[in-house]
Amino acid sequence: EVQLVQSGAEVKKPGESLKISCKGSGYSFNTYWIGWVRQMPGKGLEWMGFIYPGDTDTRYTPAFEGQVIISADRSITTAYLQWDNLKASDTAMYYCARSPIDDLGMIDYWGQGTLVTVSS
Amino acid sequence: EIVMTQSPATLSVSPGERATFSCRASQHVHGNLAWYQQKPGQAPRLLIYDVSTRATGIPARFSGSGSGTEFTLTISSLQSEDFAVYYCQEYNYWPPYSFGQGTKLEIK
Repeated sequence: EVQLVQSGAEVKKPGESLKISCKGSGYSFNTYWIGWVRQMPGKGLEWMGFIYPGDTDTRYTPAFEGQVIISADRSITTAYLQWDNLKASDTAMYYCARSPIDDLGMIDYWGQGTLVTVSS
Repeated sequence: EIVMTQSPATLSVSPGERATFSCRASQHVHGNLAWYQQKPGQAPRLLIYDVSTRATGIPARFSGSGSGTEFTLTISSLQSEDFAVYYCQEYNYWPPYSFGQGTKLEIK
């Protein structure tokens, strides 16, 4: 069974750093893209970017380029989303998402979500 | 940047009736169109991909159709568990593989 299990909710202050995780299991981690989707409170879905663990090719939506870092550790089948300087506007639910190599962008499995709250 | 527009914003339908959701793309998406369901407090779930292919485990009452820039999701006979928000998404143009803004399906 394919599973994407994300780390727990976080409460941070503006300016702090954060790294959340997503562990994949039940499939070949290296042969699917894995990425992150943001959902701000009461709003819709936005792809942030994704990584192909097999060769670490990483792509970002322009709105998120330079704002976050997406990475993956193949040895523990885990993907990460990292911020170095959180803002209040980063408050959102973040979903880990798997995308097939031949239908890149389509999300066939989702993590359960990690709620990030940034408040002073 | 491609824009995905869903209509209506809210759809009110009675259990057992048919629900039809519309999604329009500002550019041709060449068959790279998916639909997702999101219930309150849950992650989205893939329903349909490549316009009309049901994802694993999705009941046959869900169907997708359309081409070019106009797409439709139909639920043939609504069950109580179907009341949720539905999103369409194109995955032909990166960035950003745009989502529609969602249609909320509520009980009439």
